[in-house]
Formats: sequence, structure tokens, C-alpha cells
Amino acid sequence: GEDVEQSLFLSVREGDSSVINCTYTDSSSTYLYWYKQEPGAGLQLLTYIFSNMDMKQDQRLTVLLNKKDKHLSLRIADTQTGDSAIYFCAEDGNTGKLIFGQGTTLQVKP
Amino acid sequence: EAQVTQNPRYLITVTGKKLTVTCSQNMNHEYMSWYRQDPGLGLRQIYYSMNVEVTDKGDVPEGYKVSRKEKRNFPLILESPSPNQTSLYFCASSEKLTGTGELFFGEGSRLTVL
Repeated sequence: GEDVEQSLFLSVREGDSSVINCTYTDSSSTYLYWYKQEPGAGLQLLTYIFSNMDMKQDQRLTVLLNKKDKHLSLRIADTQTGDSAIYFCAEDGNTGKLIFGQGTTLQVKP
Repeated sequence: EAQVTQNPRYLITVTGKKLTVTCSQNMNHEYMSWYRQDPGLGLRQIYYSMNVEVTDKGDVPEGYKVSRKEKRNFPLILESPSPNQTSLYFCASSEKLTGTGELFFGEGSRLTVL
């Protein structure tokens, strides 16, 4: 079945780059997404990438997609304390419904 | 302001006492969905609705009911809550199910069943 896996925790220092990784199983996914959940709030769409793209850049965010290995990553340059949150990877799979990973908690130390 | 509103935000109840978590969206979205979030398990879909009067089971529907009588509202009903339904619940809506249709989430409802 469809499955999305993420590591649960990442800690970085302010100013460093953060890389959050995700693997997925459904090769028919059309779009892959990154959602951000700040403390006490719901999820918000951060960025997405179409499956025929290798990379997408949006200001401090870089999304890399390796479709062969079914691996997705989110790089945050110059990580700030305001980037501390839970980051969810998601794929739309063959049913069209979003399948979410477990979420990676990013801790940014001053 | 475009938003998804859930109520209550926090609730402590006892086993077997029926409760309803309301969800309302003001964006005229056709698609609505309920998720539960548990540590280490991420978001799991409970039920979803493609349009008025159309609802379908998600991955973890047991112990829950939903209804979609109006486009804007999608309440989640726990007829006889049990402690394993203690969780953080999110309602979400989107204009369309696939593609770049962004899912808009409510702020969450934290439910504790004693």
C-alpha cells in the first residue's frame, strides 16, 4: 500500500541549513507536498513539487525529488528559530488522497 | 478571511458520552476531510467527503461518523467515545482533491476521553 516515511526529529543551530528527508512508495504520485505545523496550529502548505521535476526553489526553501529512489527532501537555508515546527511530507498517490508521513520535528537552537 | 473553524478546541469527556466536533469552512470548498494526529503516527484520515451527501471512509473510520448535509459543514460524531480516541483532530478542506489543490486545515481539536 501507499506509505510515506520520515525521520521524527532534527536539531540544527540557527543559521545552519536544515535538510528534512522523506521516502514514499507510490510511484504514481503526481504531486508531492511539504506541510508545516507550528505549535498549537493546523498544517499549512509550504511548497509542492510536480513529479516530473527534480528540483524546486522558493526563497530559502529547496525541494529535491529523486523519483527513481522515491526520495523527497526539503532544504531550509539559513534556518531561523521561527522555522521550528513539525514538517510533514505528503504524496497524492493513486487514489488522489493525500498520504502523510509521520512528521519531522525541527528544533532550531539559538 | 478564508478559514476552517473547528469547535471545541479542547474537550475532556468520559467513555460512552456522545460528542460532536463541528467543522465549518467559508471557502465554498467541495472536498472536506477529518484527520487524527497521534505521536509517531502522523496524520491518519478518518472520513472524507467529496461533496454534499457524499462521504467515504478513510484509513481509521472505526468509532466515528460524519455527515455532509451542507457544503460548508462537516461534523465528526463520536457516538460512544473510548480512551483510544484520545487524540488531536483536524478538519481540512480543499477546492479539489488532486493536483495543486491546497488543503486548508483548522486549528485542531484536542480530545481526551477518560
